Amino acid sequence: EDKVVQSPLSLVVHEGDTVTLNCSYEVTNFRSLLWYKQEKKAPTFLFMLTSSGIEKKSGRLSSILDKKELFSILNITATQTGDSAIYLCAVGRGGTSYGKLTFGQGTILTVHP
Amino acid sequence: NAGVTQTPKFQVLKTGQSMTLQCAQDMNHNSMYWYRQDPGMGLRLIYYSASEGTTDKGEVPNGYNVSRLNKREFSLRLESAAPSQTSVYFCASSWTGTSYEQYFGPGTRLTVT
Repeated sequence: EDKVVQSPLSLVVHEGDTVTLNCSYEVTNFRSLLWYKQEKKAPTFLFMLTSSGIEKKSGRLSSILDKKELFSILNITATQTGDSAIYLCAVGRGGTSYGKLTFGQGTILTVHP
Repeated sequence: NAGVTQTPKFQVLKTGQSMTLQCAQDMNHNSMYWYRQDPGMGLRLIYYSASEGTTDKGEVPNGYNVSRLNKREFSLRLESAAPSQTSVYFCASSWTGTSYEQYFGPGTRLTVT
C-alpha cells in the first residue's frame, strides 16, 4: 500500500528559529513530490520536486528530494509568525494512478513571537 | 480570475439527508478532484475527473457520487449522509494529470448530526 509519512506531526518554535520538516514515502511509480502550505483555508502550492529537479529554493524556504532514500525535507530559516500553518507533503504517481496525489498527515507548525 | 470556487462554505445535515457540493474552476483546467480532510489524516482523495466526461474513484469513494457537468464544474453528492462524513471537503483542479500541481478551493465544512 502506498504510504506518505510526515514528521514531526506538530512543532512549536520561536521567531527566528530554523525548522526542518520531514516527508518519507513508499509508493509505486513515483513521479513527483510536492509541498503545500495550508493556513486557514485552501492548501497553496510551495514546491514540486522530480527526478530532474531535486532541490528547490524560494526565499527562506528550501526543499530537497532524496530519491534513493525516499524522503524529502522542507527547511524554513528565520521563521516568522506568518509561517504558522499546516505543511502538507504529497506524492504524485504514474501508471494507472497518473495525476493523483497521495498526501501525508501534515505537520502543524506554530511560530511564537 | 476566481480560481477554484466551492459552495456552500458551511453545511449542517441530519443523518440520512442528501446534498450536493458544487465546485467550479475558471482556469481552463482539464482535471478536477474532490478531497476530504480529517484531523491528523491529511487530504484523502474521494473522486477525480481526468478530463471532461470521465470520473474515477480515489481512496475513499464509498458514500459519494460525482458528476463532471462540463469542463468547469465538478460536483460531489452525498446521497444519505452519515456522521462519518463530517469533514472539510476540498475541490482542486490541475491542467492535466501530467501536471501534478493542483489548485485548491476554499473548502466546505460539513457536519452530519
